[in-house]
Amino acid sequence: QKEVEQNSGPLSVPEGAIASLNCTYSDRGSQSFFWYRQYSGKSPELIMSIYSNGDKEDGRFTAQLNKASQYVSLLIRDSQPSDSATYLCAVNTPLVFGKGTRLSVIA
Amino acid sequence: DAGVIQSPRHEVTEMGQEVTLRCKPISGHDYLFWYRQTMMRGLELLIYFNNNVPIDDSGMPEDRFSAKMPNASFSTLKIQPSEPRDSAVYFCASSLALGEETQYFGPGTRLLVL
Repeated sequence: QKEVEQNSGPLSVPEGAIASLNCTYSDRGSQSFFWYRQYSGKSPELIMSIYSNGDKEDGRFTAQLNKASQYVSLLIRDSQPSDSATYLCAVNTPLVFGKGTRLSVIA
Repeated sequence: DAGVIQSPRHEVTEMGQEVTLRCKPISGHDYLFWYRQTMMRGLELLIYFNNNVPIDDSGMPEDRFSAKMPNASFSTLKIQPSEPRDSAVYFCASSLALGEETQYFGPGTRLLVL
């Protein structure tokens, strides 16, 4: 059974701070890793993908992958209230999703 | 493109009734996925199709669930008979390919079985 684990939160950070979201996965052979954002009552939307060890940056978002530790993280710099949402980690093909971490950015 | 289209957006039905959910994928996408999302179990893959052919239905919870894709622009997920534990949000998603391709989700169908 392939599993993806996330801390359910809620994770509360003040506006302007760095939010750090973490994810671990069980399948050591996993090759593709994704972060989706889901606003309340809406559908998931892809914000980051990463396929090799290291960091990948896109604007205020940085995804980090460590395959040896089976660990994926998402950093959100200069957090804004509009970043308040549930962040879903997804692994592999087809996707296996974690249950998500609820992020709340306090103005 | 209009994105992935799902209907109905909300469905309230009584236990034992048949429920049919519909999905129109993004034109040109070869893969179509059906997911179910609940608070307890999160987002679960039920079944996915490639070029209208079901590839993996191991996530379908039981025989009461069935899915079809008669053509490249239409898919249905049917629950017969429905039970209260089927209450969830059902998402359809499509993508160009597996692996490194983005999956685009529809708005979802919120199903409540009384």
